[in-house]
Amino acid sequence: LAKTTQPISMDSYEGQEVNITCSHNNIATNDYITWYQQFPSQGPRFIIQGYKTKVTNEVASLFIPADRKSSTLSLPRVSLSDTAVYYCLVGGRNNDMRFGAGTRLTVKP
Amino acid sequence: GAVVSQHPSWVICKSGTSVKIECRSLDFQATTMFWYRQFPKQSLMLMATSNEGSKATYEQGVEKDKFLINHASLTLSTLTVTSAHPEDSSFYICSAVPGRGLHEQYFGPGTRLTVT
Repeated sequence: LAKTTQPISMDSYEGQEVNITCSHNNIATNDYITWYQQFPSQGPRFIIQGYKTKVTNEVASLFIPADRKSSTLSLPRVSLSDTAVYYCLVGGRNNDMRFGAGTRLTVKP
Repeated sequence: GAVVSQHPSWVICKSGTSVKIECRSLDFQATTMFWYRQFPKQSLMLMATSNEGSKATYEQGVEKDKFLINHASLTLSTLTVTSAHPEDSSFYICSAVPGRGLHEQYFGPGTRLTVT
């Protein structure tokens, strides 16, 4: 199982771009990389998923280098409402979906 | 699309009683559902993997006789906490994976269990 490592916490200010990097050195060939956002007392919410290179959707971008041993979630122009815990999850359909510690992002005014 | 519901959203029960939590995929069929528990300020801890029509696979350290999981249909999985104790008080979250194609999980809103 690919174990993930993320920074425990990050601070940012409104309007800034935030990049959160996740390390997953033991990622398997069939593993996808998925990022989730969680607010207190709520279930995690899917943000973005990728396998390699770059993926972009309406809320974020995901950058994955060629060796796939890390990935970076990029949140453009964060707002106060982006304050949450962000989890990087590595796995596939038949793999256990285990969460790491996550990154607690605090956006300040 | 891809909505998962949980019921109840919160429950208080007395020590020694059993509590059932339902997890439903509302607009898709889920061959696999996961059950997590989360303590305050901590990450989600995977408890078990539930596959429709078969027995759940429990993580090491999770008592299968205490946390009964039933995945009787492609849209419903239930978690029953039997003989609940105060230490079972936690936030229980389920997730569901669509039957084909996508790999991401869709999470329910969670159930807050308090055992008094």
